[in-house]
Amino acid sequence: DIQMTQSPSTLSASVGDRVTITCRASQSISIWLAWYQQKPRKAPKLLIYKTSSLESGVPSRFSGSGSGTEFTLTISSLQPDDFATYYCQQYSIYSGTFGQGTKVEIK
Amino acid sequence: QLQLQESGPGLVKPSATLSLICTVSGVSISSTTNYWGWIRQPPGKGLEWIGNIYFSGSTYYNPSLKSRVTMSVDTSKSQFSLWLSAATAADTAVYYCVRHNPHSAVDNWGQGTLVTVSS
Repeated sequence: DIQMTQSPSTLSASVGDRVTITCRASQSISIWLAWYQQKPRKAPKLLIYKTSSLESGVPSRFSGSGSGTEFTLTISSLQPDDFATYYCQQYSIYSGTFGQGTKVEIK
Repeated sequence: QLQLQESGPGLVKPSATLSLICTVSGVSISSTTNYWGWIRQPPGKGLEWIGNIYFSGSTYYNPSLKSRVTMSVDTSKSQFSLWLSAATAADTAVYYCVRHNPHSAVDNWGQGTLVTVSS
């Protein structure tokens, strides 16, 4: 099984900050990595797929990069609406392991 | 516009089988580009992929749940289903049905339904 490890688990930041979340895979997953945002009592929302492709309607301050086993999600300038929990996921039709999540809190 | 709606009992007794149905509307469940799946989230915890199913009936399960999970699809009703046998309190979670695109990951989610395993 492919394991996904996210860091940090919690991140405290202020509006306007540049924020980076890291996700590491236990083996190479090429570019098949997605990022989701989840707010309390809501279903997750897809932000980025295939490592760096922005889902339609997602603000351009979100970006993704990486390949193989190491990936990052960057929020260039944190906005009030961005305080949430973020999950990475390696995906194929055969599997879909998630990272444990990163909660972005107000500093 | 694609909509996914979970339905099923909100309370399941320990050792019983948990069963849920997802009704798909707004797009054909037989679309060759889509897989359909289930993801769950225990209260206060992270997301766990349960498995995917294709309209042909091909299934792919999380190895950690494989011995207890069954999925099926009914294209005539535009529905797919989840069965999880021998339920325990650890299976208490919000269960989401989802559309899984092999290229763009999980791009549509149902609203989720809480299933509690308790006597």
